[in-house]
Amino acid sequence: GQNIDQPTEMTATEGAIVQINCTYQTSGFNGLFWYQQHAGEAPTFLSYNVLDGLEEKGRFSSFLSRSKGYSYLLLKELQMKDSASYLCAALDSNYQLIWGAGTKLIIKP
Amino acid sequence: ETGVTQTPRHLVMGMTNKKSLKCEQHLGHNAMYWYKQSAKKPLELMFVYSLEERVENNSVPSRFSPECPNSSHLFLHLHTLQPEDSALYLCASSQDWGTGNEKLFFGSGTQLSVL
Repeated sequence: GQNIDQPTEMTATEGAIVQINCTYQTSGFNGLFWYQQHAGEAPTFLSYNVLDGLEEKGRFSSFLSRSKGYSYLLLKELQMKDSASYLCAALDSNYQLIWGAGTKLIIKP
Repeated sequence: ETGVTQTPRHLVMGMTNKKSLKCEQHLGHNAMYWYKQSAKKPLELMFVYSLEERVENNSVPSRFSPECPNSSHLFLHLHTLQPEDSALYLCASSQDWGTGNEKLFFGSGTQLSVL
């Protein structure tokens, strides 16, 4: 079956760095998405990786290893507003999105 | 502001009621989606419309009935729901479906409670 695994909850300190991991098992692969969702709000797109390597966008970076079925989202210089859930989703060979259950990130002062 | 608007934001209904959720996208996208989001569970895809035609129906009970009158509007008609249907219902759109261009833009959702 198809599956996405990511930690349920993580805690980090304001100003620090945190890495949220995601492993996937899908029938074929056409890319991996990360979304951010604040409580009570819409999920918003953060990144899309289809090739191996690191993509950097300001304080956020996303990494992909296709051979390992692994991705991570790296958040630097954490701010209180980064407290949110982070959703990982893989696109399979039929262009179906397979979603993880999300990682709730708690930022402490 | 994601360009996708959902109404209502909150809905409480009894099991015998009939209600509808509305979604509108202002992005010129060709695909629209309904997702169900329950606490600590992955997003569940319910329906997909591409160019106003339904292309996915993931074994959703018939008490949920979608309608896509044009490429900008999507409805989810609800009737005789069960308490386990209580969840956040998210509408989303993407430029296309089934092409790899599946970057989704979500609405803020309707928090549904079935009593």
